[in-house]
Amino acid sequence: DVKVTQSSRYLVKRTGEKVFLECVQDMDHENMFWYRQDPGLGLRLIYFSYDVKMKEKGDIPEGYSVSREKKERFSLILESASTNQTSMYLCASSTGTGRTYEQYFGPGTRLTVT
Amino acid sequence: GDSVTQMEGPVTLSEEAFLTINCTYTATGYPSLFWYVQYPGEGLQLLLKATKADDKGSNKGFEATYRKETTSFHLEKGSVQVSDSAVYFCALTDYSSASKIIFGSGTRLSIRP
Repeated sequence: DVKVTQSSRYLVKRTGEKVFLECVQDMDHENMFWYRQDPGLGLRLIYFSYDVKMKEKGDIPEGYSVSREKKERFSLILESASTNQTSMYLCASSTGTGRTYEQYFGPGTRLTVT
Repeated sequence: GDSVTQMEGPVTLSEEAFLTINCTYTATGYPSLFWYVQYPGEGLQLLLKATKADDKGSNKGFEATYRKETTSFHLEKGSVQVSDSAVYFCALTDYSSASKIIFGSGTRLSIRP
């Protein structure tokens, strides 16, 4: 089974702190994704990566950056956390081959910025 | 651009009732279609998928058929259980970037014992 793990289930940070959210997948997937999930807004794509050191902006990249130094690991960085970044953050991965491209999700990190 | 529209919730049913959650889509080309489920406090799990017209995806008693003529992918289950209480997301692959998926807004389902 594909396993996607995220470094924390719950995180509380202060405004202005630098925040790192880590995601690791164990299926040698080429593609990795970061979403945020907010009530009434569904899932919104922040960034994705289709290869090591490659990244693409999603729909809401402002205030975020990412890093992918190894194939299995994809990090989301909040350079200076703000209260409007309080949310559930979901990481996902998918294979780069084949046609269906279904994504496999981690359990999520609920981030609170105070 | 491509998009997914699914029925708004919340949907509340009694145990053993028949379930339908409607999903329609707008897409360029021939996307793959998915239903994901999110149980409380967890990430999303793939429930079922269909990759071409008239395909039927099925899993755990849930079914959905890829209807190209009506651009629909409605989720059905004949007899729901309390354990089916969750949020359900309809989704499709994005024509502009096949590795991306476009998600609907989600439908919250609650089942009464």
